[in-house]
Amino acid sequence: GQNIDQPTEMTATEGAIVQINCTYQTSGFNGLFWYQQHAGEAPTFLSYNVLDGLEEKGRFSSFLSRSKGYSYLLLKELQMKDSASYLCAALDSNYQLIWGAGTKLIIKP
Amino acid sequence: GAVVSQHPSRVICKSGTSVKIECRSLDFQATTMFWYRQFPKQSLMLMATSNEGSKATYEQGVEKDKFLINHASLTLSTLTVTSAHPEDSSFYICSASYDRATEAFFGQGTRLTVV
Repeated sequence: GQNIDQPTEMTATEGAIVQINCTYQTSGFNGLFWYQQHAGEAPTFLSYNVLDGLEEKGRFSSFLSRSKGYSYLLLKELQMKDSASYLCAALDSNYQLIWGAGTKLIIKP
Repeated sequence: GAVVSQHPSRVICKSGTSVKIECRSLDFQATTMFWYRQFPKQSLMLMATSNEGSKATYEQGVEKDKFLINHASLTLSTLTVTSAHPEDSSFYICSASYDRATEAFFGQGTRLTVV
């Protein structure tokens, strides 16, 4: 079956760095997405990786290893507004998004 | 980025009535639109995938007669919750894409409360 695993909840301190991991098992693979979702709002796009390696975009970076079925989202210089759920989603061979359950990130002062 | 507009953002309806939710891609042609349901503190649950001009593909366990999806044009898809019940109360979100291998752009979501 198809499956996405990511931690349920993480806590970090304002100004610090946090890494949210995601492992996936899908029928085929056409890329991996990270979305940010604040409570009561729709998800917003953060990153898309289809090739191995690290993609950096400001304070956020995303890494992919296709051979390991593994990705992570790295958030630097954490701000209180970064408190949200972070959703990992893999695109399978039918171009269907397979969603993880999301990681709730709590930022403490 | 591309904009997807979902309307209404909030709706309260009486049990037994029907509610229509619209999802529009404002500045691109969406070949595929997705409808999700999200329960509190849970991830997105895909309900159905709709392609313009064809019938929607429903996920297992989703009642197609209860959740009517119409994708009449490349910029508009609608979800109608028929004979709504309190258990249908949820956050419904649409997303649209113009190419299979690109990001899905999300609407703002609709908070449905059935009383």
